[in-house]
Amino acid sequence: DIQMTQSPSTLSASVGDRVTITCRASQSISRWLAWYQQKPGKAPKLLIYKASTLDDGVPSRFSGSGSGTEFTLTISSLQPDDFATYYCQQHSIDSTFGGGTKVEIK
Amino acid sequence: EVQLVESGGGLVQPGGSLRLSCAASGFTFSIYSMNWVRQGPGQGLEWVSSISGSSTFIHYADSVKGRFTISRDNAKNALFLQMNSLRDEDTAVYYCARDRVKDTTSPDPLDYWGQGTLVTVSS
Repeated sequence: DIQMTQSPSTLSASVGDRVTITCRASQSISRWLAWYQQKPGKAPKLLIYKASTLDDGVPSRFSGSGSGTEFTLTISSLQPDDFATYYCQQHSIDSTFGGGTKVEIK
Repeated sequence: EVQLVESGGGLVQPGGSLRLSCAASGFTFSIYSMNWVRQGPGQGLEWVSSISGSSTFIHYADSVKGRFTISRDNAKNALFLQMNSLRDEDTAVYYCARDRVKDTTSPDPLDYWGQGTLVTVSS
């Protein structure tokens, strides 16, 4: 099984901050990585696929990068609507989610 | 508009069985792979299983292999998850979710999700 490790698990930030979340795979997954945003009581929302492609309607302040085993999700200027939990997902071999990163208000 | 509506959750004793359903609408169901993803209370997401449009390709997480069975009925636009030998650790909200890309044979990013159905395994 491919394990996905996200860091940090919790991140405290202010509106306007640049935020970076890291996701590491236990083996190479090429660019078969997606990022999701989830708010309490709601289903996850797809943000990014193929490591760096924004899904339709996702604001350009979100960006993704990486390949192989190390990936990042960056929010260039944190907005009030962005306080949520973020998950990475590999789909190179079956599928695995990372443990999540909660972005909370500082 | 794409809609996915799960049903069938509830309280079940350890060792028991439950069958979840997901009713799909707003897209050509038969050409998309579908997935079940679960989330335990206060926990992260866990992919459970996927099934291709024609039911030819099926994948399971190791944690449910041999106990859960995914299936679909394309005539009724419905996805199912038969859960047997349930354990306490299977307690979770179970989401039905669609692959982003048509005609895939292995798991893909998930672009539409249902609202989830809660399964509680407890004596």
